[in-house]
Amino acid sequence: AQSVSQHNHHVILSEAASLELGCNYSYGGTVNLFWYVQYPGQHLQLLLKYFSGDPLVKGIKGFEAEFIKSKFSFNLRKPSVQWSDTAEYFCAVNSEAGANNLFFGTGTRLTVIP
Amino acid sequence: GAGVSQSPSNKVTEKGKDVELRCDPISGHTALYWYRQSLGQGLEFLIYFQGNSAPDKSGLPSDRFSAERTGGSVSTLTIQRTQQEDSAVYLCASSLGSRGSPLHFGNGTRLTVT
Repeated sequence: AQSVSQHNHHVILSEAASLELGCNYSYGGTVNLFWYVQYPGQHLQLLLKYFSGDPLVKGIKGFEAEFIKSKFSFNLRKPSVQWSDTAEYFCAVNSEAGANNLFFGTGTRLTVIP
Repeated sequence: GAGVSQSPSNKVTEKGKDVELRCDPISGHTALYWYRQSLGQGLEFLIYFQGNSAPDKSGLPSDRFSAERTGGSVSTLTIQRTQQEDSAVYLCASSLGSRGSPLHFGNGTRLTVT
């Protein structure tokens, strides 16, 4: 079975600080990788995704993520966070070999202090 | 409709009662997903539909949980003989159904079992 690990449960940063949220998955085959974000009071929405090609993926609002196959990782980064980035961030994995379902990590809550 | 619609938005029920949660996906989306979101547990996959069939029911936590989808559209998640540990936010998502298609989430149904 696949699993997704997000080791940071709650991250608190000041505005303009750099962000890196960890995501590791356990599946040896080809995967599709996603980051979803849930802003306070809103529904989950897609931030960025990786299918193939350039392992550095750029998403909305200045976020990017790097797929490192050897480390089974897909960490999310942003060079300078804003107060409006306060949200919960979920990493998700879909395997090429499995059914078309998507497995999520437990999420990381980001609080940005103005 | 414009987005995924779930009803009710909130449901309070007594332990032992049955509940039905409804999801109306985005028109044209063939894939439909149910997840459960509990504090500290992230998003727990429950079931996935492709059209009216459910190729993966592996996430349903017990035989008290069932789901159906009719006409390739609306889905209902039924929880029989509710228990307090069933309290959570139940999220529905839909997608175009091709591998890696982003999921569009509803706002969820917050279920409280007293």
